[in-house]
Amino acid sequence: SQQGEEDPQALSIQEGENATMNCSYKTSINNLQWYRQNSGRGLVHLILIRSNEREKHSGRLRVTLDTSKKSSSLLITASRAADTASYFCATRGFSGGYNKLIFGAGTRLAVHP
Amino acid sequence: GAVVSQHPSWVICKSGTSVKIECRSLDFQATTMFWYRQFPKQSLMLMATSNEGSKATYEQGVEKDKFLINHASLTLSTLTVTSAHPEDSSFYICSARDMEREYYNEQFFGPGTRLTVL
Repeated sequence: SQQGEEDPQALSIQEGENATMNCSYKTSINNLQWYRQNSGRGLVHLILIRSNEREKHSGRLRVTLDTSKKSSSLLITASRAADTASYFCATRGFSGGYNKLIFGAGTRLAVHP
Repeated sequence: GAVVSQHPSWVICKSGTSVKIECRSLDFQATTMFWYRQFPKQSLMLMATSNEGSKATYEQGVEKDKFLINHASLTLSTLTVTSAHPEDSSFYICSARDMEREYYNEQFFGPGTRLTVL
């Protein structure tokens, strides 16, 4: 079962612009992770944010987490054509569902040169 | 870094045949491996959780007799799609957790196997 929704489903921007993707989820979580997937390829782990954290940075990536709203956002600054990919959030829950990583629907990002 | 491999990377088979996909953790031991299925332009759907030495736990709606999972060692899990039909055509991705790094909640993904059933 899918945990949540992401929006937008698709995003098209120019190189140099910032890209913001949002993720909402339904149940309590231990942590939330963002992954990137190039077309037809495997997943690349980008960043993990724990439930007691509100913001995290990694290079050009900035992730926020609002547990009261059960939502997270991924910001990619100064985007590049190589950032073109699908981006997924994934949540890990507590007991019962603790061991599972459940993925959102994903955002397809296209960065044009 | 932790590497997960899958074999084969792609397979084409005839309807009614069975296909086995292997998932290996190359440089770490994994007590738990996960199998996901991804249809074109869709998200990853968890099919089952595979625990070394015990039966797999299947998600609701996934037929355990159709998708046989064997996690015989700490570095190998296999998914067998039995009596495959065209609707089983999909991208199958495995994932493994490093039992030495449970605290870090890290889960490593294989490159995926594209199955096409004719």
